[in-house]
Amino acid sequence: QEQLVESGGGVVQPGRSLRLSCAASGFPFSSYVMHWVRQAPGKGLEWVASILYDGENKWYAESVKGRLTISRDNAKNTLYLEVNSLRSEDTAVYYCAKEAIRGGLYMDVWGRGTTVIVSS
Amino acid sequence: QSVLTQPPSVSAAPGQKVTISCSGSSSNIEKNYVSWYQQLPGTAPKVLIYENTERPSGIPDRFSGSKSGTSATLGITGLQTGDEATYYCGTWDNTLRAGVFGGGTTLTVL
Repeated sequence: QEQLVESGGGVVQPGRSLRLSCAASGFPFSSYVMHWVRQAPGKGLEWVASILYDGENKWYAESVKGRLTISRDNAKNTLYLEVNSLRSEDTAVYYCAKEAIRGGLYMDVWGRGTTVIVSS
Repeated sequence: QSVLTQPPSVSAAPGQKVTISCSGSSSNIEKNYVSWYQQLPGTAPKVLIYENTERPSGIPDRFSGSKSGTSATLGITGLQTGDEATYYCGTWDNTLRAGVFGGGTTLTVL
């Protein structure tokens, strides 16, 4: 059974950093493009970042460029998202998702999400 | 302001049909496949349609997708109360080099 489990969320002060993790199981992790998608309270889905199979190619939403870093460890079947200089607008549920087929943002497996609250 | 434009809400009676539109541009919908997601309150999104018209296994044929030019449409027939959810379209934008979602459409089954 394909599964993604996020962790690392919590309440964090503005300006601090946080690293989110996403543990994958049930599929060959290194063969798939992976994404982070976030959802602020009461708002819609916001695509944040994605990373190619080998971790060399990465793409980011303009709104987070320079502050967020996506990475992966294929040996550990784990996806990461480092969020620096946290702002109130980073408060959201962060989902990791597996892209089933390259192209068209077809994400067939999602985690349950991890919640980040930026507050002093 | 989302790159893809969806109506904020739609509604219809049980058993009826509804369509949800997703309007984009030549840099996203026109040149890339579109996916559609259903999100029930408090849960992660679930894919309903991929590659414009394809349904993953387990998704009933009451759900359908289409695309024409810079717009895509999700259709749902035989509406059930369990279909009440927020629906999102998504695709890749070649100019932004980024994934993009619509703002979401909340479906109410009256």
